[in-house]
Amino acid sequence: EIMMTQSPATLSVSPGETATLSCWASQNIGSTLAWYQQRPGRAPRLLIYGASTRATGIPARFSGSGSGTDFTLTISSLQSEDVAVYYCQQYSFWYTFGQGTKLEIK
Amino acid sequence: EVQLVESGGGLVQPGGSLRLSCAASGFSFSSSWMSWVRQAPGKGLEWVANIRQNGRAIYYLDSVKGRFTISRDNGKSSLYLQMNNLRAEDTAVYYCVWAEGTSSGLYFQQWGQGALVTVSS
Repeated sequence: EIMMTQSPATLSVSPGETATLSCWASQNIGSTLAWYQQRPGRAPRLLIYGASTRATGIPARFSGSGSGTDFTLTISSLQSEDVAVYYCQQYSFWYTFGQGTKLEIK
Repeated sequence: EVQLVESGGGLVQPGGSLRLSCAASGFSFSSSWMSWVRQAPGKGLEWVANIRQNGRAIYYLDSVKGRFTISRDNGKSSLYLQMNNLRAEDTAVYYCVWAEGTSSGLYFQQWGQGALVTVSS
């Protein structure tokens, strides 16, 4: 099983600033990585797939990078609506999610 | 607008059965892989099962193999999850998901609002 590890567990960022979320895979997964946003009480929403391709309707403030085992989700110009838990997911070998990073606004 | 609407959740005793349904609209259901993903209360996400467009390729999480059955009716644009011999650890919100990709790997494009399944005596 491919393990996904996210860091930090909780991130507090001021409005207008940039949040950087990290995700590591226990083995090489190429670019088969997706990011999801789950706002409180809501279903998850796809943000990024293929490590760096934004899903339909996702603002350019959200960007993904990385390949192999190290991945990053960057959210610039942080807004109150970005408060959520963010999950990474690998789809190279079966499907596993990271434990999530909770993003808070200072 | 894409809509995925789950139904059939509820409270069931350990060892019992439940059938979830998902009504899909707003996209080409018959051309799409579909999945179930669950989330235990206060926990993270866990993939449960996938089914190919024609229903001939099906994949399960190891812990649900032999107990859960995913199926679909393309004529009704509906997805199902039959859950038998339920355990307390199956307690979760179950999401119906439109998946994208190939048989080599899928990401989860669009999610329903979820159906809560509680397994307790």
